[in-house]
Amino acid sequence: AQKITQTQPGMFVQEKEAVTLDCTYDTSDQSYGLFWYKQPSSGEMIFLIYQGSYDEQNATEGRYSLNFQKARKSANLVISASQLGDSAMYFCAMREPSGGGADGLTFGKGTHLIIQP
Amino acid sequence: ETGVTQTPRHLVMGMTNKKSLKCEQHLGHNAMYWYKQSAKKPLELMFVYNFKEQTENNSVPSRFSPECPNSSHLFLHLHTLQPEDSALYLCASSQDGTGRDEQYFGPGTRLTVT
Repeated sequence: AQKITQTQPGMFVQEKEAVTLDCTYDTSDQSYGLFWYKQPSSGEMIFLIYQGSYDEQNATEGRYSLNFQKARKSANLVISASQLGDSAMYFCAMREPSGGGADGLTFGKGTHLIIQP
Repeated sequence: ETGVTQTPRHLVMGMTNKKSLKCEQHLGHNAMYWYKQSAKKPLELMFVYNFKEQTENNSVPSRFSPECPNSSHLFLHLHTLQPEDSALYLCASSQDGTGRDEQYFGPGTRLTVT
C-alpha cells in the first residue's frame, strides 16, 4: 500500500484563485511529520511547509497553509492567491521515526500544478 | 557556494562504465541523503547518513555504492548500471534528520545509462 497518496496528477487553476492540493497518508506511528515540497521545471526541490502529528494548529507559511485532518489522515496544501510562478510539481512527504537517528522522507507521486493567466 | 551543490549536473554513461556523483553541503548539517527520481514514480529514498555513518540503505542494488567521508560531502559511486537506472539523482541534507527538521535539496544529477 502507498504511504503517501496524491490523487491529482495535474491541475489547472486561474491566476489569483486559491488552490487545494490533496494528500492522504498511511502510518501506524503516533509521531510523524508531514512536508510539502515544490519542484519547478529547474528540478530543485523547495521546502514549503511542515506539520507535526502533535501540532494542534494547522501550519501556515505566507500564502501556504496546511489543512491537517489527523483522523482522516489527510494533509492538504492550500495556496492562496495563486501566481504564475506557482506553476510546478508539488510533492507531499512523510517522515516516520525509525529510532536510528536521521530519517529519510517518503514521497507521493506529486501533483503538476499549472497556473493560467 | 551556498546550500547543496551536486556535480556533475548531467552524466551519460555506458553500462560498463564506472562513475561517481558528488554532493557537497555548505549548511553545517549532520545528515545527508540520496534520492532517486524516475519518470512517473515518486522520489525514492536510497541512503541516509548521519554524522558520516550510514543509517539507512533502502534495499538499493550493490551497483550503487555510497561514500560519506565527512558531514559535508556525499558520493554515489556507480558501476555496471542498467538502462532503468537512468533518472534524476537528488542529494539532500538536514540538521539531524528528526522532527520538523527540513531537508535541503541540491539541483540533482540527470543520469542517462546507454
